[in-house]
Amino acid sequence: GENVEQHPSTLSVQEGDSAVIKCTYSDSASNYFPWYKQELGKRPQLIIDIRSNVGEKKDQRIAVTLNKTAKHFSLHITETQPEDSAVYFCAASKTGYALNFGKGTSLLVTP
Amino acid sequence: SAVISQKPSRDICQRGTSLTIQCQVDSQVTMMFWYRQQPGQSLTLIATANQGSEATYESGFVIDKFPISRPNLTFSTLTVSNMSPEDSSIYLCSVEADFSYEQYFGPGTRLTVT
Repeated sequence: GENVEQHPSTLSVQEGDSAVIKCTYSDSASNYFPWYKQELGKRPQLIIDIRSNVGEKKDQRIAVTLNKTAKHFSLHITETQPEDSAVYFCAASKTGYALNFGKGTSLLVTP
Repeated sequence: SAVISQKPSRDICQRGTSLTIQCQVDSQVTMMFWYRQQPGQSLTLIATANQGSEATYESGFVIDKFPISRPNLTFSTLTVSNMSPEDSSIYLCSVEADFSYEQYFGPGTRLTVT
């Protein structure tokens, strides 16, 4: 089955800096790669996703890149703000199948 | 995105009892999933619940322990049977929006077994 590795497990940045979280996946048939943000005590919230036919996608301060050949994808957050502090999960799946999650990255943005 | 609700939001149960968690969606969806999230951990898939067929369970999860119902396209239940303290966790349902890859989560049910 699919195996998703996520790094780093913790990340601390200063407000205004950029943050990058990286994930690799094992199943070349996976074609959907979402990122979720989970604040303490809340449900995971979909923040951005990318499909296998696209190499990059951007939404304001957040971007995701995908390298299908290397089977890795990354989340980039620019101009970080304290409210970006949360646990971020990457995931991979095939259409109609459940998500396989990475172990999560705890991001702390310090003022 | 779909609006998903779960009941109960939390519960404290005694060892050996069972709890049924409900998941309600405001629109018809084909794919529904049940996940478990232990404190400080990632999300682990328990099973896929499809309407009109038996749920498909992941390795390590069995129907006798986690029976699932999916009577229609907007509702599902997960029962945690014969509970032990190791079942203490957050249980979340999720749905895949039809005609979309996107999956959305319910608010979760926080279960504590004493």
